[in-house]
Amino acid sequence: GAGVSQSPSNKVTEKGKDVELRCDPISGHTALYWYRQSLGQGLEFLIYFQGNSAPDKSGLPSDRFSAERTGGSVSTLTIQRTQQEDSAVYLCASSFGSGRPSGYEQYFGPGTRLTVT
Amino acid sequence: AQKVTQAQTEISVVEKEDVTLDCVYETRDTTYYLFWYKQPPSGELVFLIRRNSFDEQNEISGRYSWNFQKSTSSFNFTITASQVVDSAVYFCALSGRGADGLTFGKGTHLIIQP
Repeated sequence: GAGVSQSPSNKVTEKGKDVELRCDPISGHTALYWYRQSLGQGLEFLIYFQGNSAPDKSGLPSDRFSAERTGGSVSTLTIQRTQQEDSAVYLCASSFGSGRPSGYEQYFGPGTRLTVT
Repeated sequence: AQKVTQAQTEISVVEKEDVTLDCVYETRDTTYYLFWYKQPPSGELVFLIRRNSFDEQNEISGRYSWNFQKSTSSFNFTITASQVVDSAVYFCALSGRGADGLTFGKGTHLIIQP
């Protein structure tokens, strides 16, 4: 079946512009995660959605970052007033379930490479 | 707080050699899960294995094996008779009570030379 898809695959934007990154999880997966991968910081967890529940935003790096998930499926990560330090690969993952801790395998998408010039 | 350390930044071996990737974790939780993921040059993270904190049994899958030792907080990964296709970045990760997402190590870049 189809895996996690993300769009766009690459995005180049000018400093100060807003960007939207999209994630389409595997059908039937209730949990959706956003991560950021950069050379300096490695893989960082950003935010998580379980179904339609309101997410815990404490992992977002700044208030310029926001995310939403519509209808318990597609998610959008928005970065406002982009800065050069936002340049990274943004990865989305989904899983059948979640928890603290979670033993559910996360399936990752191919990522969106964001470059802020 | 939880933390995963992969001290080996890069390992280079010749094909057919055995190689072990180290993973050391820190957590105060008694219940947690450990994972290994592979990230080939194409970029997409691929799940390899999951272990819960109550199961210290070692696991073997083909050329891959994993050694989980709670006494040393380690979850090491060994590839036997390595192949060029094993070249990738390998990540160890932890799921605990402290966060909704996975806590990843920095990754080990494995290079298998023909």
